[in-house]
Parts: sequence; structure tokens; C-alpha cells
Amino acid sequence: DVVITQSPLSLPVTLGQPASISCRSSRSLVHSNGNTYLNWFQQRPGQSPRRLMYRVSNRDPGVPDRFSGSGSGTDFTLKISKVEAEDVGVYYCMQGTHWPPMYTFGQGTKLEIK
Amino acid sequence: QVQLVESGGGVVHPGRSLTLSCAASGFMFSGFAMHWVRQAPGKGLEWVALISYDGSNKYYSDSVKGRCTLSRDNSKNTMSLQMSSLRLEDTATYYCARDGAFDVWGQGTTVIVSS
Repeated sequence: DVVITQSPLSLPVTLGQPASISCRSSRSLVHSNGNTYLNWFQQRPGQSPRRLMYRVSNRDPGVPDRFSGSGSGTDFTLKISKVEAEDVGVYYCMQGTHWPPMYTFGQGTKLEIK
Repeated sequence: QVQLVESGGGVVHPGRSLTLSCAASGFMFSGFAMHWVRQAPGKGLEWVALISYDGSNKYYSDSVKGRCTLSRDNSKNTMSLQMSSLRLEDTATYYCARDGAFDVWGQGTTVIVSS
């Protein structure tokens, strides 16, 4: 099974400063069709998850452009250029390349304001 | 607007059964596969199951395989997850999510398995 490892698990950030979350896979996430099925989700306190990015770097509608995704193969990164108060929550990466048998989420990274 | 609404959660004893439902609106439900994802209290997200757009294919995580059955009714825009032989570790909030890489999520329904 594919293992997805996020770091850090806790990320205290000062308002207006950048933030970066790493997501590493135990296997390459490049699908045989050439696509890389790595998504990022945000879960604000008390809310359902919300997709931010799909296929590594495609931002969902309504997601501020301070969010960006990058990476390839086994290493991926979600960056926030200038953290705002509304960015507080837990961020998850998820792979969908090696399905079936399953989709795999990372453990989550909790972003908080210092 | 595009919406998913889960229902059916509650408190249940270990070994008992429960059926969760997901009602879709605002999009062509019959054109999308659908997922269930769960989140234990204070924990991360865990993919649980997937049903294809027409219900002909179903996939389950190892943690629920053999104990859960997916179904859908495209005429009613609904999907169901029948859970049996419930265990303490099945306690979680259960979300339905639209395929298309999990682009739409419901608000979740909470299952508590407790003696």
C-alpha cells in the first residue's frame, strides 16, 4: 500500500508570513496515463474538508491565489504565500493514483497562528 | 447549488447495524461515482468506500470490507452505506464526497459505537 507522510504535523505561523507543507509518497504518484493524482484539502475547525488543489497544482474555484501546489513523483508541497487568519485548520494531501485498492490521505498538518 | 447531505448517524451498540444515507442535489448525480470518507474523533481522514456512477462497481477499504454494503438509487439521487457488525473503532463522522477527485463534500453524519 502507498504511504503518504506529511510534515510538519504542527505548523505555527505568524500572520502575513509564508507557510509550507510537505507531502511525501512511498511510491511515485505518476499514473500510467501521465497524470499525477495528488490533491490537497483544507479542513477548518468544525467544518467539512474542502478541496484546495487537484492534480498537484490546479487551484479549485474560490481558492485564493496565495495557495499554490507543486511537486512531482514522490515529493509535493503546498505553500501559502502570506498566511491569513482564515487559513487556520488542518491540511491534508491525498493520493488517488494507486487506486484501486484505495485512496490514501496524509496524517494532516495543523496550521495555527502564532 | 451543488450539495450533499448525509443522514442516518447515531449511537449504536457494538455488533449492531446502521445505514447511512447521502442525498445529492444540484448536479447530475447519475454521472458521478461517490465516496464515503470517515474521520474518527480528533483524527485524520480515512477513505472508506466508493460506488461507481451506475452502482455496478463497489470498492471498500480493508477496515470495512465484509461489514459494509454500498448502494445507490439514481432515480432518487441518493446513496447508502449499510454498516453491520459495528465496532468501537467505527466511531467517526462519515462524509460522502463526489468523485471528480473529492471536489464536493457533505457536512457529515456522526456514528458513535458504544456499549
